[in-house]
Amino acid sequence: KQEVTQIPAALSVPEGENLVLNCSFTDSAIYNLQWFRQDPGKGLTSLLLIQSSQREQTSGRLNASLDKSSGRSTLYIAASQPGDSATYLCAVRPGNQFYFGTGTSLTVIP
Amino acid sequence: GAGVSQSPSNKVTEKGKDVELRCDPISGHTALYWYRQSLGQGLEFLIYFQGNSAPDKSGLPSDRFSAERTGGSVSTLTIQRTQQEDSAVYLCASSADREPDTQYFGPGTRLTVL
Repeated sequence: KQEVTQIPAALSVPEGENLVLNCSFTDSAIYNLQWFRQDPGKGLTSLLLIQSSQREQTSGRLNASLDKSSGRSTLYIAASQPGDSATYLCAVRPGNQFYFGTGTSLTVIP
Repeated sequence: GAGVSQSPSNKVTEKGKDVELRCDPISGHTALYWYRQSLGQGLEFLIYFQGNSAPDKSGLPSDRFSAERTGGSVSTLTIQRTQQEDSAVYLCASSADREPDTQYFGPGTRLTVL
């Protein structure tokens, strides 16, 4: 069974810092990997989708990389802002199912 | 347009009671997913509906859990004889055929079993 792990579980940084969130998965046979954001009391919002044939995707201040062979992905957030405070989840899709990590809770301090 | 909606937003029930959770997907979305998010845990896949195909029930944790999707639209997740360990947020998501990897999530139903 696919296991998805995210490190760290929680992170607190001052505004303006660049930061990296990590995601690892045990089975490299995936179609794609996604990074989501979850705000308290709300559902998930997709941030970036990386297909298995791709190495990275960028959207604004966000950059996600994928190393399928080693089972790792990183989400890089540049120039963090208080509005970035949320829980960030990664998910891999080997088939019908999406396997989610436990998330990294990010707090950006003004 | 309207997003995915779920009802109720909160449900408190007593151990042993049955509960029904409702999901209204985005109109026209053929795929519908149910997930469970327990405190401190990631999202746990429960069940997947795709059009008129037989659902993928491989994530349902026990036979107390069942789900239906009527008319290819609204879905109901039923938990019978609830247990305290069923307490969690239940999330529903839907996706369109043309973008099967883009899931649109509802706000979830927070279930508390006393």
